[in-house]
Amino acid sequence: AQSVSQHNHHVILSEAASLELGCNYSYGGTVNLFWYVQYPGQHLQLLLKYFSGDPLVKGIKGFEAEFIKSKFSFNLRKPSVQWSDTAEYFCALLTGGFKTIFGAGTRLFVKA
Amino acid sequence: DVKVTQSSRYLVKRTGEKVFLECVQDMDHENMFWYRQDPGLGLRLIYFSYDVKMKEKGDIPEGYSVSREKKERFSLILESASTNQTSMYLCASSLAGEWTTNEKLFFGSGTQLSVL
Repeated sequence: AQSVSQHNHHVILSEAASLELGCNYSYGGTVNLFWYVQYPGQHLQLLLKYFSGDPLVKGIKGFEAEFIKSKFSFNLRKPSVQWSDTAEYFCALLTGGFKTIFGAGTRLFVKA
Repeated sequence: DVKVTQSSRYLVKRTGEKVFLECVQDMDHENMFWYRQDPGLGLRLIYFSYDVKMKEKGDIPEGYSVSREKKERFSLILESASTNQTSMYLCASSLAGEWTTNEKLFFGSGTQLSVL
């Protein structure tokens, strides 16, 4: 079965703390993975994506994610969060047939 | 920039009503999608379409139908609204007709539907 699991529903950090959000997937085909972000009151937008090649991908606003095939994981990281990173983060998997499956989301709150 | 426009930001309907949610994209995208977003459940795919007049069921199609008569417009229809369809509905589109590294979703701002 195809699925995406995000480990944390809520994360609260202070500014300058390091961030790691967990994402695991289950899928038997070619893996294409995404992190999307939804800032308060805004559209969902793409943060970064992995299709092939270097398993460490860099996205906007200093975020990066590492694809580890042996662990079926695609964790999102940022070395030092800012108050403006407060948002909901979704891990997603693109399957064959154009269908994207999303995880349940992680709400990040950064204290100023 | 790609624009995906959903006709209403907020809607309040009564149980049993027929509800239409409209979505229009302005970048000639082939693929269009309807998701619902519920707290703790993330985004769940209701229906998608990869071409005019083509539609495919997603993970939770029950109680919904869709229409795609023109490439730029994808409508979600709730045949007889129920309270468990109260949710945020998100429309999305994507460029690729085939699987390419350009694939990503562009989202509308969402319609918060309340069914009373």
